[in-house]
Amino acid sequence: KNEVEQSPQNLTAQEGEFITINCSYSVGISALHWLQQHPGGGIVSLFMLSSGKKKHGRLIATINIQEKHSSLHITASHPRDSAVYICAVYLRETSGSRLTFGEGTQLTVNP
Amino acid sequence: DTGVSQDPRHKITKRGQNVTFRCDPISEHNRLYWYRQTLGQGPEFLTYFQNEAQLEKSRLLSDRFSAERPKGSFSTLEIQRTEQGDSAMYLCASSLAGLDEQYFGPGTRLTVT
Repeated sequence: KNEVEQSPQNLTAQEGEFITINCSYSVGISALHWLQQHPGGGIVSLFMLSSGKKKHGRLIATINIQEKHSSLHITASHPRDSAVYICAVYLRETSGSRLTFGEGTQLTVNP
Repeated sequence: DTGVSQDPRHKITKRGQNVTFRCDPISEHNRLYWYRQTLGQGPEFLTYFQNEAQLEKSRLLSDRFSAERPKGSFSTLEIQRTEQGDSAMYLCASSLAGLDEQYFGPGTRLTVT
């Protein structure tokens, strides 16, 4: 079983819809990254958080440390949001030496 | 552009050949990471450096793989005697320190025929 699980694996939405992508992890973490990967491979860091909530434009990320769960929300989705969204964590047991990744959520936003 | 760069972006090689990839991190970043990503999967950790010291290597990194970061600046990842199973995207990332936000390069896509 992967230490980081994402759901859903695939998500199709209509432009303008509110989108939620979930990430659950099974062990203690120091921090969590939400990343965006476009076709061609480039990965962009969206957020890094260890508690509470962060907002950047139409993107909101929340984390509940006790429940070992994080969500990424996209408000007023747009076709340019179509990408793979990846949750990655710094496991406490590795003391921040590297990230452990979920398998990603493929988001497609149709016009 | 002051981001992380990788070279080459694409590499096609025949099985058995050696390949070398280069990563140039953000200049003030002390940490440099190598990850590998196969199609449809999330990236997997290969190795990381703190300045010029290689501090950890994954069990995924067989004896055919070697990485260096001379002088704590750019890094190279070499794969000897490539196998078809080595076909993947090789990603480099850097951060200021441990537990910091990581910044990723565009990746090198390796195809072994």
